[in-house]
Amino acid sequence: DGGITQSPKYLFRKEGQNVTLSCEQNLNHDAMYWYRQDPGQGLRLIYYSQIVNDFQKGDIAEGYSVSREKKESFPLTVTSAQKNPTAFYLCASRRGQGLTDTQYFGPGTRLTVL
Amino acid sequence: AQSVAQPEDQVNVAEGNPLTVKCTYSVSGNPYLFWYVQYPNRGLQFLLKYITGDNLVKGSYGFEAEFNKSQTSFHLKKPSALVSDSALYFCAVRTRSGNTPLVFGKGTRLSVIA
Repeated sequence: DGGITQSPKYLFRKEGQNVTLSCEQNLNHDAMYWYRQDPGQGLRLIYYSQIVNDFQKGDIAEGYSVSREKKESFPLTVTSAQKNPTAFYLCASRRGQGLTDTQYFGPGTRLTVL
Repeated sequence: AQSVAQPEDQVNVAEGNPLTVKCTYSVSGNPYLFWYVQYPNRGLQFLLKYITGDNLVKGSYGFEAEFNKSQTSFHLKKPSALVSDSALYFCAVRTRSGNTPLVFGKGTRLSVIA
């Protein structure tokens, strides 16, 4: 987990509210990723960014938005359009364009919709 | 399209016995393969990866994995299991062509019984 921080650790949201999950890395990594984890479904890719000011949709981008204004930061906003947002959210980063580079993960944020 | 299968949701093993967690993959061309471990309410920790060369890859905490191209498998192994190895294990793959994100399997829960 070292080098990638996610906050908050636990987050509670009322239905209809947007919430933003923070992800910061001090590893000087170019690429950053957001995954969602649900029991029995593994990790599903929401969005990823390979360079500042650029990002791509993953497999389940609907109801989510991101920005990449700084190299070290990749916040994820869960919008009210996401119908089932309760899940464990994991941020990851990777050094650069090298295909062999290892992807490292943050400690995660658990989001619960009340 | 890339995909990873972890055919066992749960693996139980007695402490001191060898353990195997299975992974098969499907990619176009040759793969890069990774294993991660996740402890409860934590992010994923990198264990090992196969890039090229020796088919037997050694990683952290005494784990190793064997790449078998003909069987498209990358099984995780450890000669003697510890209770502290109990966790959720994920296999992941990336194709060598194109800078695509890792694709993860659904995970296998390992339970080591004392």
